[in-house]
Parts: sequence; C-alpha cells; structure tokens
Amino acid sequence: DARVTQTPRHKVTEMGQEVTMRCQPILGHNTVFWYRQTMMQGLELLAYFRNRAPLDDSGMPKDRFSAEMPDATLATLKIQPSEPRDSAVYFCASGNGDTQYFGPGTRLTVL
Amino acid sequence: QQPVQSPQAVILREGEDAVINCSSSKALYSVHWYRQKHGEAPVFLMILLKGGEQKGHEKISASFNEKKQQSSLYLTASQLSYSGTYFCGTEKWNSGYSTLTFGKGTMLLVSP
Repeated sequence: DARVTQTPRHKVTEMGQEVTMRCQPILGHNTVFWYRQTMMQGLELLAYFRNRAPLDDSGMPKDRFSAEMPDATLATLKIQPSEPRDSAVYFCASGNGDTQYFGPGTRLTVL
Repeated sequence: QQPVQSPQAVILREGEDAVINCSSSKALYSVHWYRQKHGEAPVFLMILLKGGEQKGHEKISASFNEKKQQSSLYLTASQLSYSGTYFCGTEKWNSGYSTLTFGKGTMLLVSP
C-alpha cells in the first residue's frame, strides 16, 4: 500500500533555528504539494511542484521559507529562521491526477 | 476565495443523517471532499466534476450545483467511523495549472 512519508513527525525547536522537513511522494506521482494546517487558517497551500518543477509558491513567506525537489523521491521544506508563528502541522501530498494523497504530517513547535 | 463550509460542527447519533455544505463566491470547476480524523492526515473521499461526473471511493454521496456554486456532502445512516473533520476543496485555476483551496472544515461527531 503506497503512502507518502514525511520526516520528522514531530519537531520542537527554538526561535531562530533552521527547520528542514522532508517528504517522499508516492512513486510515480508527478505532483507534490506542501500545506500548512493551523486552527485559525485551516489548510493553506504553501508550494506546488509538477514533475519536480516549482509551479506555485505564492502561499509561502519568501523571506524565510523555501521548498525544493532535488529528485523525484524527495521534497524538502525549509524554514530559516523559524519563528513561533510557524508552529503548525505541515503536510506533504502527492498526486498524479485529480486526487491528492496526504502524508502523516510534521508537527512543528517553535518556542 | 476560500470556500465557506456549513455547519461548522455537527453532533449525531449513530444511524442519523447529516448534510455538509460548501459554497464558493467563484465559479466552480470541481469540488473535492476530504475527511481528516484527529491527529491524522486528510483522506480523499470524492471529487465532483463540472458536468455531473462524480468519482469517489466510499459509500458517501454528494451533489454539485454549478449555478449555485455549491456542493453538499450527504452522510446517511452515519457510523462511528464517520467522525472527523470534513473539508471541501475548490479548484483555483492559474496559468495552465490548478490548485485546491480548502474550506475551514466541518467537524462531525457520531456517538453511539
């Protein structure tokens, strides 16, 4: 049963530190999405890749966030420097058509 | 541009029915429904396409009214396993690609 995997599952860090979250999409999927989920805002799209090329990062704070896909099996989301307001659950999802398959998420807490 | 879901929360007894609505201020091309259980990832339920085609994996039905720019999810004879937060996602078209914008969710609790 193919699944999207994400690491780490939980991360606690101090303000100002760099945070890197990783995602392995389902093999064969050509789209990858990064979402942030908070109680206040719900699910917000941060970045969208198709065939490893970034198509949309309009939802991402450009000064501190960056997203990359160094190869077809790995997508990364980095925050540098992290701030308390970045505390949230970050989901990666992959797809190859209409459906998106979400990973288990990384719960980030910035103190 | 975020779709509006109603109600915000529903409490049911097992076997009762529920309807969750999703409305958009913009024209809809498709509506995607997901369910998220507490502490887990959102899971795809179904997609409703312009023109009436519906694709889904579970025994939950939905409707899509293009003119009213809204979709409704129907949960009949609810089971305990239906508990969770339901999100609708509407397609937002950009230059040659589309992304989903999700509503804030409807929390459903089914009790025995």
